[in-house]
Amino acid sequence: AQSVTQPDIHITVSEGASLELRCNYSYGATPYLFWYVQSPGQGLQLLLKYFSGDTLVQGIKGFEAEFKRSQSSFNLRKPSVHWSDAAEYFCAVGSLLSGNTGKLIFGQGTTLQVKP
Amino acid sequence: DADVTQTPRNRITKTGKRIMLECSQTKGHDRMYWYRQDPGLGLRLIYYSFDVKDINKGEISDGYSVSRQAQAKFSLSLESAIPNQTALYFCATSDWGRLGDTQYFGPGTRLTVL
Repeated sequence: AQSVTQPDIHITVSEGASLELRCNYSYGATPYLFWYVQSPGQGLQLLLKYFSGDTLVQGIKGFEAEFKRSQSSFNLRKPSVHWSDAAEYFCAVGSLLSGNTGKLIFGQGTTLQVKP
Repeated sequence: DADVTQTPRNRITKTGKRIMLECSQTKGHDRMYWYRQDPGLGLRLIYYSFDVKDINKGEISDGYSVSRQAQAKFSLSLESAIPNQTALYFCATSDWGRLGDTQYFGPGTRLTVL
């Protein structure tokens, strides 16, 4: 079955510390992958996406993610977290197969808290 | 102005009432989607539409219906609302291309069914 797992429901880091949010997927087809961020009371904003090519993807707000096919992972990283990064983060996966429906499967989300 | 707008932003209703949530977009995208978000479950797809004449059920369509009035408008209806439909509802749009598509989300509608 197709699924996306974000193992960490809640993470707390200190401001200025590095961050890694984990995402693992199970998908039978060639995947394309996304990270979205949801600030309190807001909709989902796209941070970055991977379709093909370089497996290290750069996004907005200083985030990056690395696609590792052998590990079925697409972890999100940031070298130095800012207080404004406190939000909920969602990993999502879709397919590049022809006839693609465009449907995405979302993980459960990881809530990031940033300590001063 | 926002590219994807949803109305209302918040709604409280009673069990058995008919509710319509509306979504409009100015991105010129053909594809539109409705999701619901529940704590700990992420987002789940309710319905999706590739154009005005092409509407498809998602994984949790029971109890919901949709209408694609125009390329820019996609409405979600709850014919007879029940409490377990209390959730945050998101509309999204995308434009399929050679490299797949990227979905862009509205701000959400928080629906409470009493």
